[in-house]
Amino acid sequence: AQKITQTQPGMFVQEKEAVTLDCTYDTSDQSYGLFWYKQPSSGEMIFLIYQGSYDEQNATEGRYSLNFQKARKSANLVISASQLGDSAMYFCAMREGQGGKLIFGQGTELSVKP
Amino acid sequence: NAGVTQTPKFQVLKTGQSMTLQCAQDMNHNSMYWYRQDPGMGLRLIYYSASEGTTDKGEVPNGYNVSRLNKREFSLRLESAAPSQTSVYFCASSEARLEPSNQPQHFGDGTRLSIL
Repeated sequence: AQKITQTQPGMFVQEKEAVTLDCTYDTSDQSYGLFWYKQPSSGEMIFLIYQGSYDEQNATEGRYSLNFQKARKSANLVISASQLGDSAMYFCAMREGQGGKLIFGQGTELSVKP
Repeated sequence: NAGVTQTPKFQVLKTGQSMTLQCAQDMNHNSMYWYRQDPGMGLRLIYYSASEGTTDKGEVPNGYNVSRLNKREFSLRLESAAPSQTSVYFCASSEARLEPSNQPQHFGDGTRLSIL
């Protein structure tokens, strides 16, 4: 069965430093997609970044980058130069099968300290 | 530019009452989804509709029904609410039809539902 694991329930980082949020996945599919979403305390889900299983380059979107290690089945999110506004829950998700369904990890709560 | 709109935002029900959560999207997406979010468990898929006229069960469908009214609207119904259905419910939509797709799901702001 397909599964997403986020092993860090909570993380702290100093403002302006970089932080890595871990995500490992399990799938037998050759073709899949990995997504990261941010959920601030206000509750909305904000799409951050996407990595396809066939993408040869690691995805980047501004201060967000994805460290994709296919052999290890990991898709870690790297946030560079953390800001106070980055404090939020972060969810890793994998697109599963037909219909575009997502399965989510349990999330990591990131707190950025001034 | 509304995106995905969910109504209501908050609701309190008594055990056994019924309710329909409404969701509408204005992005002309084919696929729509309903998730629930419980503390410490991330989001879990209840039902989804890959295209207008089709619906399928997700991971946790028991106690729920859905209707894909048209391409824009996808409703979730609790026929007889139970305290275990207290949760935050999210509707989402995407353009994904065939895999693989890099199209993200766009989420509504959620409905906080409490069942006493």
